[in-house]
Amino acid sequence: EPEVTQTPSHQVTQMGQEVILRCVPISNHLYFYWYRQILGQKVEFLVSFYNNEISEKSEIFDDQFSVERPDGSNFTLKIRSTKLEDSAMYFCASRVWGSAGRSYNEQFFGPGTRLTVL
Amino acid sequence: GQQLNQSPQSMFIQEGEDVSMNCTSSSIFNTWLWYKQDPGEGPVLLIALYKAGELTSNGRLTAQFGITRKDSFLNISASIPSDVGIYFCAGLPFTGNQFYFGTGTSLTVIP
Repeated sequence: EPEVTQTPSHQVTQMGQEVILRCVPISNHLYFYWYRQILGQKVEFLVSFYNNEISEKSEIFDDQFSVERPDGSNFTLKIRSTKLEDSAMYFCASRVWGSAGRSYNEQFFGPGTRLTVL
Repeated sequence: GQQLNQSPQSMFIQEGEDVSMNCTSSSIFNTWLWYKQDPGEGPVLLIALYKAGELTSNGRLTAQFGITRKDSFLNISASIPSDVGIYFCAGLPFTGNQFYFGTGTSLTVIP
């Protein structure tokens, strides 16, 4: 069964360093998302991406964050200068639109990348 | 942003008991999704709902899309230890691509 994959599973970085989190969405999906989840808290929306541009973004997604779909399969989240408070689980998700049947709004999550900023 | 209130926040139940949880919103939604998350893992989609009043089952799980479009319910029948985890609801409005998430219900099943 197709699934969303993410790499790395765990990233440790020094404060101020840049990190790139990578995701491979499900191949026929058209909408892509990044979420953040601080330990013990709810899932927080960061950004949605459709047709090679940002569709919506939250207040968390400031100028330090950027997303890119560099090729037909990868979807990346870059944090330019990490802060201690960026430590969290980061989840990529994808959603299909326009397929036959009722699955058009099903959103599937990847396993996450645990980011630790020291 | 739109707020989703999910209750209860946590539940401790005996194995074999039924479980009910719900999500309410101040706004109407086009789609409701229910997820289960195990510690350290990504949320796993359990059920998707698209029509007001719709009742959908997935094994021992049954979810309903509220008539007002502002709420949704998830029931788990005859709970087993592997049902332990955090359950999240998520709603998608009629406009936009952003899903709004509930605060989660932590379920503990006592054998």
